[in-house]
Amino acid sequence: GDSVTQMEGPVTLSEEAFLTINCTYTATGYPSLFWYVQYPGEGLQLLLKATKADDKGSNKGFEATYRKETTSFHLEKGSVQVSDSAVYFCALSEGGGATNKLIFGTGTLLAVQP
Amino acid sequence: GAVVSQHPSRVICKSGTSVKIECRSLDFQATTMFWYRQFPKQSLMLMATSNEGSKATYEQGVEKDKFLINHASLTLSTLTVTSAHPEDSSFYICSADTGVGEQYFGPGTRLTVT
Repeated sequence: GDSVTQMEGPVTLSEEAFLTINCTYTATGYPSLFWYVQYPGEGLQLLLKATKADDKGSNKGFEATYRKETTSFHLEKGSVQVSDSAVYFCALSEGGGATNKLIFGTGTLLAVQP
Repeated sequence: GAVVSQHPSRVICKSGTSVKIECRSLDFQATTMFWYRQFPKQSLMLMATSNEGSKATYEQGVEKDKFLINHASLTLSTLTVTSAHPEDSSFYICSADTGVGEQYFGPGTRLTVT
């Protein structure tokens, strides 16, 4: 079945460092891809999404590009802040949209130090 | 963004008792809600899709008689863990579908069965 694999954490960075969190997927069809973020004590929030190959999702300085040839959707940010400390989940939607069920990666804890 | 609440946030119960968890969409109507289970350092696993006015759709391996789901209105879905056992201890998360391509997540409920 469809699956999502993301790099294990925790990832510890200093403020203003460059961030990459790797995510690859396996899918039989053409899924939509998502990054969700979970801040301490809060629910998951949609960070960004991409619905087709070569689309780039971006939000709050984060971006990820849907790469069909490498089945990847890596999350990047050029300069992280302490407030970015959270758990990041990569996910895919089998049905092509967020209204369908989501398959999540294991989550990556990001800790940004001042 | 839209707000989804869960109640309670934490619950401790004795083995053999039943526990009800509520999921509410506070500022939008949700025809579809989803229930997930999250184990420590693991991804969210979809348990079931809750549809307003009809029976829930359970994922393979999820016991429908143990995890009762009722979606009585467009803003409320409940998950009842019946005859709970220690292995049911987990973090339960719901999400609500806005119907326009996004899911919003609740903050989760930590269940501990003693």
